[in-house]
Amino acid sequence: DAGVIQSPRHEVTEMGQEVTLRCKPISGHNSLFWYRQTMMRGLELLIYFNNNVPIDDSGMPEDRFSAKMPNASFSTLKIQPSEPRDSAVYFCASSLSSGTSYGEQYFGPGTRLTVT
Amino acid sequence: AQRVTQPEKLLSVFKGAPVELKCNYSYSGSPELFWYVQYSRQRLQLLLRHISRESIKGFTADLNKGETSFHLKKPFAQEEDSAMYYCALSGWSNQGGKLIFGQGTELSVKP
Repeated sequence: DAGVIQSPRHEVTEMGQEVTLRCKPISGHNSLFWYRQTMMRGLELLIYFNNNVPIDDSGMPEDRFSAKMPNASFSTLKIQPSEPRDSAVYFCASSLSSGTSYGEQYFGPGTRLTVT
Repeated sequence: AQRVTQPEKLLSVFKGAPVELKCNYSYSGSPELFWYVQYSRQRLQLLLRHISRESIKGFTADLNKGETSFHLKKPFAQEEDSAMYYCALSGWSNQGGKLIFGQGTELSVKP
């Protein structure tokens, strides 16, 4: 398995533009997580899905952020409109959850977003 | 409140010295605890989980339910241990699943 795949790996955009980050989880995993990492705030959990259903989106910073998981093999994180303070590395992770644990998470390589 | 606390943002030790990265948690149920590691500019990866009770790269961590702690320890630090370490909790209750990460501790091992 290629592991968790994220695209693009780097994104540079101008303030006000829409940004879409993509994630393909490991086949067979039923939970998917989006994180944001910055020097100032460390690693922040934005949202996670279980069986394609959003479970907890309390970490999503603002309405400008939205995430979807239309099927078990694909998820997107969209920022519209983007702002310079959104500049960060965005990680996607997936895991095989049981009824009592989310289990070990496998992380993607991340998307480094720069908003100018 | 449910949380994971890593009190040290940065821990600096010399090569060969013992190291302990602290993690305390607050959770009403029976959580599963993990340590993840992120080497420079790489993706996060699992280092340890408490249910496996194994030693990885010389690191061990014991879940202390009485003190609600899951400290990461290594008797002799190596320079290649320099990385960011995150403590994480996975829990389940009748209200659903919960997933909480600590703020991370940067470990710097000096020669």
